[in-house]
Amino acid sequence: DAMVIQNPRYQVTQFGKPVTLSCSQTLNHNVMYWYQQKSSQAPKLLFHYYDKDFNNEADTPDNFQSRRPNTSFCFLDIRSPGLGDAAMYLCATSRRTGGEVYNEQFFGPGTRLTVL
Amino acid sequence: EDQVTQSPEALRLQEGESSSLNCSYTVSGLRGLFWYRQDPGKGPEFLFTLYSAGEEKEKERLKATLTKKESFLHITAPKPEDSATYLCAVQPFLNNNAGNMLTFGGGTRLMVKP
Repeated sequence: DAMVIQNPRYQVTQFGKPVTLSCSQTLNHNVMYWYQQKSSQAPKLLFHYYDKDFNNEADTPDNFQSRRPNTSFCFLDIRSPGLGDAAMYLCATSRRTGGEVYNEQFFGPGTRLTVL
Repeated sequence: EDQVTQSPEALRLQEGESSSLNCSYTVSGLRGLFWYRQDPGKGPEFLFTLYSAGEEKEKERLKATLTKKESFLHITAPKPEDSATYLCAVQPFLNNNAGNMLTFGGGTRLMVKP
């Protein structure tokens, strides 16, 4: 089945120690997203890629970076995690079609990040 | 600024007790309204997209409807396995701000007791 895969499912890091989360997809979608979701809150968009074009949300902290080396993979780098960065990180994909329309998003299972 | 408000925040039902979840929205121009189901510790699972007022979509015990100001997710004769958080999100038509991203509501946590 076509799907969105995130690794690891659980990540524990120390305050200030860089961490990288990964996402891969077999849907062949041209858009990939990273969201942060804290307990009982709505997902918050951090950034998205359309192909290799990177789009950062205005309020995404500089501490968060992303890389998309190819269509199938996308990485989220947190350079110096703070206690407030503990959350579920969700990767999603969608297809952008004619007229710059982004269609429905399909989410991976998420990576739960704990910061000690 | 696009806004999405979901109510109630939490809903407890007995198995078989039908009810509706509400999603109220304000958006500059609605391209689509999306419903997702999210189980604890998992990513959201896509359920429906609605594009225009009057549109309805169904899947098993779920039916989603759309008006110009709100959407309802009707749950008929729910079962315990329908327990989850249901998220609503709106997507505006393309504007000059780099695309038409989703704005999510806070979700409704549904608990169905046997």
